[in-house]
Amino acid sequence: DQQVKQNSPSLSVQEGRISILNCDYTNSMFDYFLWYKKYPAEGPTFLISISSIKDKNEDGRFTVFLNKSAKHLSLHIVPSQPGDSAVYFCAASEGSSNTGKLIFGQGTTLQVKP
Amino acid sequence: DTGVSQDPRHKITKRGQNVTFRCDPISEHNRLYWYRQTLGQGPEFLTYFQNEAQLEKSRLLSDRFSAERPKGSFSTLEIQRTEQGDSAMYLCASRGWEQGSGNTIYFGEGSWLTVV
Repeated sequence: DQQVKQNSPSLSVQEGRISILNCDYTNSMFDYFLWYKKYPAEGPTFLISISSIKDKNEDGRFTVFLNKSAKHLSLHIVPSQPGDSAVYFCAASEGSSNTGKLIFGQGTTLQVKP
Repeated sequence: DTGVSQDPRHKITKRGQNVTFRCDPISEHNRLYWYRQTLGQGPEFLTYFQNEAQLEKSRLLSDRFSAERPKGSFSTLEIQRTEQGDSAMYLCASRGWEQGSGNTIYFGEGSWLTVV
């Protein structure tokens, strides 16, 4: 049972344009969502997060939007840069769970072309 | 470097051998996690420690896998009688109690295991 889904395995955008990565979840108990970026042969690096009490969080070029009714979140990168080329993972956790365990999606490979 | 540290970064082993990975979390982080990642998949939760207590284990963690965190600092993940299906990247992550951290966990560089 895939509780967090990233349905687009890959995305290609031109440098300077907007990149939009999408993520859907099924568990209504999830209340905290994160995006991680991963380069080959390295561990995931935390990018940005959002609590379920918000619908938007912005950090520089990165903005995460949360639509709780649709159980959908998205990561916007504006403007996209070649260095943003990596695999992006969406993750979610339940606040009621004391472990802080994260459930990850399958990832979306972003390629930003110069 | 005060990030999560993992050792070794790469390990090639023959099927049936035992391997052990070590993780040093961010200093003073009391929560430590082990995840596994295979190609084309996101990280999958294996187990979780709060201080030295192992509080949750995934069904993915078969009897051949054992994890310890004896003094609440570093942790080890041992795989006995390795199988080819164990080939994956093993990721360690940690999390503290800092205010506003939410459920953000910080990953190490990972330990690649190849079973031949």
